Formats: sequence, C-alpha cells, structure tokens
Amino acid sequence: SQQGEEDPQALSIQEGENATMNCSYKTSINNLQWYRQNSGRGLVHLILIRSNEREKHSGRLRVTLDTSKKSSSLLITASRAADTASYFCATDGGGNTPLVFGKGTRLSVIA
Amino acid sequence: EAGVAQSPRYKIIEKRQSVAFWCNPISGHATLYWYQQILGQGPKLLIQFQNNGVVDDSQLPKDRFSAERLKGVDSTLKIQPAKLEDSAVYLCASSFQTGYGYTFGSGTRLTVV
Repeated sequence: SQQGEEDPQALSIQEGENATMNCSYKTSINNLQWYRQNSGRGLVHLILIRSNEREKHSGRLRVTLDTSKKSSSLLITASRAADTASYFCATDGGGNTPLVFGKGTRLSVIA
Repeated sequence: EAGVAQSPRYKIIEKRQSVAFWCNPISGHATLYWYQQILGQGPKLLIQFQNNGVVDDSQLPKDRFSAERLKGVDSTLKIQPAKLEDSAVYLCASSFQTGYGYTFGSGTRLTVV
C-alpha cells in the first residue's frame, strides 16, 4: 500500500518561480524523505527529515514536517527548467521497515 | 563511489516468457531493495534483503516472481511466466542501513507484449 499522498498531482510553473509540493501520510514515521525522478531514470534522494525535526534546508530546497498533521511540504525556490521531474515523498516507519512511496507530483518548469 | 548498477536497461518479452534482472548495490550497503514502478505511479516494494537474508517479501507475487541475493552482494529478480500487467520499471536500491536514504539504480524497463 502507498502511505504518502502528494498534492498536487501535477504542477506547471515559470522558471524563477517557487514550487511547493505537499505530502500527507497516515501512520507514525521515523523519518520522511523526498526523491526526484527524471523521466526514464531512477530516483535520486533529495533530503531526509526526522520525526523530531520541523524544518530542513538543502540548497534551494526547504522541507517542513508537521507530525501532528501527518504532513510534509517540499519547497523549491527559484526553479529552473532542470527541476522538471517527478517528486516523491517516502515514509520510513522505523525498525527495519522499507520506505513506502506516494504517487508523486509531476513538476514542469517552463523556461 | 560507484552507483547502483542494474541490467539490462530495457527488455521486451512476450507473455508467458521468463526474464531476469540483475542488480549490484553500492559496496558496503547491507540492505537491498527491489521496487516495481508502474507508469504514473510511485514505486512499490517487491522484496527487501538484509545481507543475504529476506526481510520483507510480503508484496512479492511468489507464484511468478523470485529473487535471490547470494553472498549478500548482487541480486537477481526473476519473473516466470510474465504477464502483461508486469510491464513496469523494476528499480533496485540499496542503503547503508535502515533510517538512511536510498541510492537507486537507473532501473530496467520491462515491456510484456
């Protein structure tokens, strides 16, 4: 079963704008991770945020986590055409459980 | 460091034929995963290995899918016989240990006709 649900399913923005994607999940987590997938390629790990963290930054990426609402958001600032990809959130339930992925958000950045 | 290697990159087979995929994880990564990704969906776990032991294969269709990780390094995933609905990208990933991010290979795109 897929725990994370990303919103929106698709997003189209102009280069230079910010892109925000949201993820909601159902059960408790140890950490939440975001991945990027370019068309026809494997997934690339972007950022991991642990359940006791509320915000994390990495370059142009900003991730927030609200465990009380069971939700996370990924913000990409000053987007570029190269950011065009699908973005997935994945939840880690702790122990030795594998990541469970959502269906993803397809981001299109128009130059 | 070298990434996760997968082969073949593409495979087209007829239904009821068999197919095998190979994965070599990052050196030192004890945990290896096989995910199936159907077009337009997120990856779905098929099987998880810790060294050469199976940790989770609850979503593996065992009547037709099998996987092994001999010697706790590389792994093979086999489908026999294939069905049309097996058309998907098969992704291999590895991680240093649980609680860390995964490194994915480029995947094998399987088309069953």
